[in-house]
Amino acid sequence: DTGVSQDPRHKITKRGQNVTFRCDPISEHNRLYWYRQTLGQGPEFLTYFQNEAQLEKSRLLSDRFSAERPKGSFSTLEIQRTEQGDSAMYLCASSPDISYEQYFGPGTRLTVT
Amino acid sequence: AQTVTQSQPEMSVQEAETVTLSCTYDTSESDYYLFWYKQPPSRQMILVIRQEAYKQQNATENRFSVNFQKAAKSFSLKISDSQLGDAAMYFCAYRSAGFQGGSEKLVFGKGTKLTVNP
Repeated sequence: DTGVSQDPRHKITKRGQNVTFRCDPISEHNRLYWYRQTLGQGPEFLTYFQNEAQLEKSRLLSDRFSAERPKGSFSTLEIQRTEQGDSAMYLCASSPDISYEQYFGPGTRLTVT
Repeated sequence: AQTVTQSQPEMSVQEAETVTLSCTYDTSESDYYLFWYKQPPSRQMILVIRQEAYKQQNATENRFSVNFQKAAKSFSLKISDSQLGDAAMYFCAYRSAGFQGGSEKLVFGKGTKLTVNP
């Protein structure tokens, strides 16, 4: 069990650029979650997948954000036309079932300059 | 919507002593889970302990235990025999049990920064 992995770990981008993050969940975990954490705050839910189906999206997920999990394995989170307010840690978590805990990855820290 | 409140932004404890972190939550659901997660500096979040709302018995995991008061909607974490490695941000989190279409998302509090003094 290698744990949840995220790539890249750090990303610095200029305002207006597009960025894409990847999350690889623990093998055979059919549930995958994305959260955003800003400095001094707890993580806030963005979206989650059960297999390849995106079942819930937060109102935080504006039109500039899109997430996919095409084959029910890894997931990508894309932010288009980044803004300074997008600077945050983006966390991914996975779970084998609703009754289990969510296992978190190390996160991707995004800095928008 | 569910909310989680951690009223202690920072706490400190002497090594080997006991500390209690507070958490209150608001929900209209009867079935749910509560969690305490630990986030060490620059490291990933890990689960400390979980509590199912239908269980009256308080959960324990080694030096970590909770005081779950369902009627008061209170869920505190007690750390006994504190160690230097316990220093971290601690987040209280709520999740619906998922029955009747409840969300699977975790709702987090703002966290409590725990410092352990040698």
